[in-house]
This record gives sequence, structure tokens and C-alpha cells, in this order.
Amino acid sequence: GESVGLHLPTLSVQEGDNSIINCAYSNSASDYFIWYKQESGKGPQFIIDIRSNMDKRQGQRVTVLLNKTVKHLSLQIAATQPGDSAVYFCAEIGTGGGADGLTFGKGTHLIIQP
Amino acid sequence: DVKVTQSSRYLVKRTGEKVFLECVQDMDHENMFWYRQDPGLGLRLIYFSYDVKMKEKGDIPEGYSVSREKKERFSLILESASTNQTSMYLCASRVGKNIQYFGAGTRLSVL
Repeated sequence: GESVGLHLPTLSVQEGDNSIINCAYSNSASDYFIWYKQESGKGPQFIIDIRSNMDKRQGQRVTVLLNKTVKHLSLQIAATQPGDSAVYFCAEIGTGGGADGLTFGKGTHLIIQP
Repeated sequence: DVKVTQSSRYLVKRTGEKVFLECVQDMDHENMFWYRQDPGLGLRLIYFSYDVKMKEKGDIPEGYSVSREKKERFSLILESASTNQTSMYLCASRVGKNIQYFGAGTRLSVL
């Protein structure tokens, strides 16, 4: 999993399995969260977002879960494919710190095994 | 479709050179950002701008300056490039507290 402020971890999953990438945040005032995917040599690409008044949001093959009680965010990718190999990182937007309180995690490297 | 365009994908410069990194967005976003990304350090904010001719320092502004003469364009300037500025530079834009869209990045090597 990933925590804002820690070194880049790696998650290895079999093709076709579900992947779960975790993110712990520390700012309880954060009210908006975004997951990004970054492929090698490319810029980060928006995947899905969630606001603090929700605890779950679904997209195409992806689901984001937010647990405000323990300040934890997760990204679930269903039926992982080779094209899902990338670094995934979360970003939080709150009321303090950085530009408009925007803080990025360092990312999790997702590796897909054939 | 959303588009943030960085003028160069790869740049090689010499120590002491003045370097310009250009970024253009076509979404009429007020807010624009410059980050650098280094292994193990994640994204670090260099400078950002809330509007034309406005700029704010981020977390690591030393050795950099910026220019925003037009809403769609945000330039990052390395006044005198140094080897420790070798990095991946990412430009981003957004409106309000919403999704931040990134460019493809410029990989800068300073020799």
C-alpha cells in the first residue's frame, strides 16, 4: 500500500485478478481525493475522484473507497490487465498545506504478472 | 478533450545555461502548476499561479522562476541550470479545487 510521505512500494498481481492499492492520509480536513495513474515516461493521468461526503465511487473497472474514520483511501481495479501496469498515486485536497492544500502521495508501482 | 501541452519531452542542457520550459493549456483554467518528480521523492511543487501575472512559491522554488503573461501559458525558468535540477518536470492546470490535469512531462538533463 501507499502512505503520503513514504517510499514507493510495489504491488504485484496476476493478470485477471483484482488489485487493491491503499493510501493513508493525515489531514482530517481533506475534503477531496483523486487517484492518478502514471505510465513510464508519461504524465499522471486522472482515474477517479471522490469527495468527503461519499464513501464509495465507481468508474469503469475501478472503485474508490474512502474511510474518513481511519483516514484511508483505496483504489480497486477489477480484472487487472497488462495495460494497468503503472505507478498509482493518490492526491488529497484540504484546507491547509501546499497550493490549496493539495498533497500527493509518492505512489505505488503496480506490476502485472502474466 | 482536456489538453496540457509541454513544449519539449526531452531536453539536455549544460550547467549555467538559462532554461525555459513552456506549458500551454486549452481549458481556460485559472490555476497552473509546475512540479518536479524524482524517484523516491514523488511530486514536489515548485511554483503555481492563480491568474495571469500572479505567482506563488511552492515547496521548492529555489533556483527557479516562473512567468504567466497569458492565461493559457505558464513558463518555468531555470536561471542558471545546475546538475541537481536534472529531473522530470510536470506542468498541470485546474479550475477551482477540482481535477488537476497534467502534461506529458519534460525530462531535463543538466550536464
